[in-house]
Amino acid sequence: DAGVIQSPRHEVTEMGQEVTLRCKPISGHNSLFWYRQTMMRGLELLIYFNNNVPIDDSGMPEDRFSAKMPNASFSTLKIQPSEPRDSAVYFCASSPTSGNTIYFGEGSWLTVV
Amino acid sequence: GENVEQHPSTLSVQEGDSAVIKCTYSDSASNYFPWYKQELGKRPQLIIDIRSNVGEKKDQRIAVTLNKTAKHFSLHITETQPEDSAVYFCAASPAGAGSYQLTFGKGTKLSVIP
Repeated sequence: DAGVIQSPRHEVTEMGQEVTLRCKPISGHNSLFWYRQTMMRGLELLIYFNNNVPIDDSGMPEDRFSAKMPNASFSTLKIQPSEPRDSAVYFCASSPTSGNTIYFGEGSWLTVV
Repeated sequence: GENVEQHPSTLSVQEGDSAVIKCTYSDSASNYFPWYKQELGKRPQLIIDIRSNVGEKKDQRIAVTLNKTAKHFSLHITETQPEDSAVYFCAASPAGAGSYQLTFGKGTKLSVIP
């Protein structure tokens, strides 16, 4: 298995632009997570999907952030409009069931200038 | 909610020595405690985990111990090698409906000096 696949790996964008991050979870995994990693705040859970349904989005910073999972093999995290403080590494992760090992993708390194 | 404290934030050891990283958690309902290793520019990867029904687990040079009464758990790496240099994260999650809520510590940057 190729593991969790994320794109783009690196993105540099100007403040105010829309950013869309994409994720393909491991086949057969029914739990999907979006995390954000920064030096100041560490690894933070943004949103959790189970069977394509958003279960907990309490970690989404504000209305500028949205996430979707239209099917079992694809999810997006969108930031509109982006701001410099959104600069971080965004990890997608998946798990066979909640409460078990989660497998991280390689991350999307976002820089907003 | 859960709060996970991790110490130390940085650790330097000579190659061949042992390294110990400690974490405490606040929620007595937590019952799953994984450890992740993150190399520079890479993704976090699980290296070992422990559930609350055991007190210790070992896998070659790494071991994890858990003290549920004191609410702390530790990672032990013996015979350290330069390739062990990375940032290590501990985490905790509860059982049941909230089991997806993995709370991470802030990380320990381990440097193994050849």
